Amino acid sequence: DSGVTQTPKHLITATGQRVTLRCSPRSGDLSVYWYQQSLDQGLQFLIQYYNGEERAKGNILERFSAQQFPDLHSELNLSSLELGDSALYFCASSVGGSGGFGTQYFGPGTRLLVL
Amino acid sequence: KNQVEQSPQSLIILEGKNCTLQCNYTVSPFSNLRWYKQDTGRGPVSLTIMTFSENTKSNGRYTATLDADTKQSSLHITASQLSDSASYICVVSAGLTGANNLFFGTGTRLTVIP
Repeated sequence: DSGVTQTPKHLITATGQRVTLRCSPRSGDLSVYWYQQSLDQGLQFLIQYYNGEERAKGNILERFSAQQFPDLHSELNLSSLELGDSALYFCASSVGGSGGFGTQYFGPGTRLLVL
Repeated sequence: KNQVEQSPQSLIILEGKNCTLQCNYTVSPFSNLRWYKQDTGRGPVSLTIMTFSENTKSNGRYTATLDADTKQSSLHITASQLSDSASYICVVSAGLTGANNLFFGTGTRLTVIP
């Protein structure tokens, strides 16, 4: 158990809908990262927040948005969903804000299926 | 172009045997290289992190090597166990700041059979 929690574990929805994925980082970690992993594909970095502020942005679509709240939990909002958005979405956390150094601890993921 | 390539894509070995997974990268400037283990349907778990000055790092039966000159890394698994069946992902960092400087390989899927 990494200490990072994600809810829900599974999500089934229809095209055009909007969903929210939730992540609670490990106690004491200030950074939260969001990743997308499609079937048989590698991890794709979406976005990083550090202590409530956006720190780095990756290949995140305009239909997707995220935020980190004062209690450091984070939410990833996916809107106007398409079939291709079906994937595993992982949240990770780390102590520092430097995503390129130090260990990231990954949550168990949310499996999203868009029908 | 910053890239991380892993080989083989998949590997099947007998329980108790050793194996070596490869990671070649073209990321520059280099900061560090990490190996993660990802069980099916679960989040990746860090195995090792190596900086430029480190050429070997062990974590139990897992030993990672790094040759910064040739930009190659390997992950050696000794006396494999059924629980080693997973995907192994190589991640290279191009800098200390920002997760958008992390470059991910697509992983090697290892299957250990009895």
